[in-house]
Amino acid sequence: DGGITQSPKYLFRKEGQNVTLSCEQNLNHDAMYWYRQDPGQGLRLIYYSQIVNDFQKGDIAEGYSVSREKKESFPLTVTSAQKNPTAFYLCASRPPGLAGTVGEQFFGPGTRLTVL
Amino acid sequence: QKEVEQDPGPLSVPEGAIVSLNCTYSNSAFQYFMWYRQYSRKGPELLMYTYSSGNKEDGRFTAQVDKSSKYISLFIRDSQPSDSATYLCASRSSYKLIFGSGTRLLVRP
Repeated sequence: DGGITQSPKYLFRKEGQNVTLSCEQNLNHDAMYWYRQDPGQGLRLIYYSQIVNDFQKGDIAEGYSVSREKKESFPLTVTSAQKNPTAFYLCASRPPGLAGTVGEQFFGPGTRLTVL
Repeated sequence: QKEVEQDPGPLSVPEGAIVSLNCTYSNSAFQYFMWYRQYSRKGPELLMYTYSSGNKEDGRFTAQVDKSSKYISLFIRDSQPSDSATYLCASRSSYKLIFGSGTRLLVRP
């Protein structure tokens, strides 16, 4: 089955620690995205990548970093510089063709990060 | 001002009711408009999209865009308890999606 997987589902981190969230897709999509979701604020874009070895900052990139060494993988690191990292993190990919032109994105199941 | 605004609700309706969910947007250059449904603790999934102005129907769901007033609507007919979820409107801006904050819908049996 094609899709997007995120791991882990729940993650707990102590203040001051970096943590990496995994996102893998087998849909053969070039474009991938990371969003953060907080209650009452919808989805906010952290980083996106349109192709391997290239990525751009989104609206709230401070305190986060990404890499895109493989088409299938787009890991997100939440660094200790992120002041309020507790949130629900969603990874998405965008298909080519008409669906991609429209803007459709396929989302993973999310990772809930809690900083203790 | 946010580019896409949405009433967070919650909206509570009895089973069988017609539900109206709404968003407004500020950027007149937006042309593609989407509705995503998100169940609790899950990733969003695309319900419908529309291009420019007009209506689009898919089963019990109708999406409507009025570009003159910058208004986006989603209507759900014969609502079911399984429709209980958060509904997010979104518009495409270049390679990104701009999301509303989401409206939480509860359909009571």
